[in-house]
Amino acid sequence: QVTLKESGPALVKPTQTLTLTCTISGLSLRTTDWRMSWVRQSPGKALEWLARIEWNDNAIYSSFLRTRLRISKDTSRDQVVLTMTNMDPVDTGTYYCVRMHPYSDWGQGILVTVSS
Amino acid sequence: DIQMTQSPSTLSASVGDTVTITCRASQTFSHIWLAWFQQKPGHAPKLLIFGASKLETGVPSRFSGSVSGTEFTLTINGLQPDDFATYYCQDYNLYSPWTFGPGTKVDI
Repeated sequence: QVTLKESGPALVKPTQTLTLTCTISGLSLRTTDWRMSWVRQSPGKALEWLARIEWNDNAIYSSFLRTRLRISKDTSRDQVVLTMTNMDPVDTGTYYCVRMHPYSDWGQGILVTVSS
Repeated sequence: DIQMTQSPSTLSASVGDTVTITCRASQTFSHIWLAWFQQKPGHAPKLLIFGASKLETGVPSRFSGSVSGTEFTLTINGLQPDDFATYYCQDYNLYSPWTFGPGTKVDI
């Protein structure tokens, strides 16, 4: 069974950079045929796919947020890291780490609030 | 990125009803890369269907998916109390960014 757990700050100030870490259990990132994504959801709003990284180091980003995002992996720690620069209050929401396609495993999500 | 639209945005239904949710893509793409998710308040989404029509393991057979051109459909035959939720389609083209639709809320 694969479990995903997001960690990071609950509160960031506008213009700061957000760094979120997803720690993966039950799956070694040294294996192949996996894709890890970050998905966010602002309060009361729809799901928004942000980025994914694949076993072959391929990283793909949302066209709308591409310039602010970076996704990376640490195979030695089985972690996936997302950084988002220049945070704004509209970026407030729950950020999910997700293994999907194949499979669909979601972390519990981490609520990030952007406020001064 | 491909843009996804869903209709309706909200759907009022009763237990036992058959409901249909439609998802349209802004451009043609392979139907093998269309998924449907169910989300209940306070919970992470759950995968229902992938490849436009393939039922995820453990999902009740009252859920089904179909495709016609750029129009994808999620049908729930015999709505159950547990099915009142928000449903999202997702394009997951393996060579492009992914996109979720705006969601359809099914309520009483």
